[in-house]
Amino acid sequence: KQEVTQIPAALSVPEGENLVLNCSFTDSAIYNLQWFRQDPGKGLTSLLLIQSSQREQTSGRLNASLDKSSGRSTLYIAASQPGDSATYLCAVVPYSGNTPLVFGKGTRLSVIA
Amino acid sequence: DAGVIQSPRHEVTEMGQEVTLRCKPISGHDYLFWYRQTMMRGLELLIYFNNNVPIDDSGMPEDRFSAKMPNASFSTLKIQPSEPRDSAVYFCASSLFEAGGLGYTFGSGTRLTVV
Repeated sequence: KQEVTQIPAALSVPEGENLVLNCSFTDSAIYNLQWFRQDPGKGLTSLLLIQSSQREQTSGRLNASLDKSSGRSTLYIAASQPGDSATYLCAVVPYSGNTPLVFGKGTRLSVIA
Repeated sequence: DAGVIQSPRHEVTEMGQEVTLRCKPISGHDYLFWYRQTMMRGLELLIYFNNNVPIDDSGMPEDRFSAKMPNASFSTLKIQPSEPRDSAVYFCASSLFEAGGLGYTFGSGTRLTVV
């Protein structure tokens, strides 16, 4: 059974700092991996999707990497801003591609002005 | 499109009462998912539908939980009888694809408190 772990559970950084959020998964046979953002009291918003054949994806100040062989992904946030404060969740789809997303518990990020 | 719409936003009920959560997916999305989120367990998939048909309900915790999708624009998740341990945020999501993708859209959730 696929399991997704995110460490740390919470992170606090000063504004302007570059930071990395980590995600690990137990079964390297995945179809794709996604990073989501969740604001307090809100649903999840998809940020980046990496297909199993890709190594990274970029969107603005966000860069997500994927290393399937080691079962790891990282989300890099450059020049963090207070508006980046949210919970970031990682999710994977097992290899068959016809099963729903399996989520990690998330990392709660606070960017202090 | 208004996105995935869930109601109510908040629900407080007494133990033993029946609770019904509602969801309207995005028009044209063939898949609908019900998730439960708690601090301890994170986001758990309860059940999902394809074209109104339940595909996998192995995540439904007990027989007290049931879900229906009578048509493409409406789904309900019912808990009867409710218990304090059911307190959580319940999310509905819809998608064009089973495996997610950037078209995977979540509602704002229903925060359920059972006292």
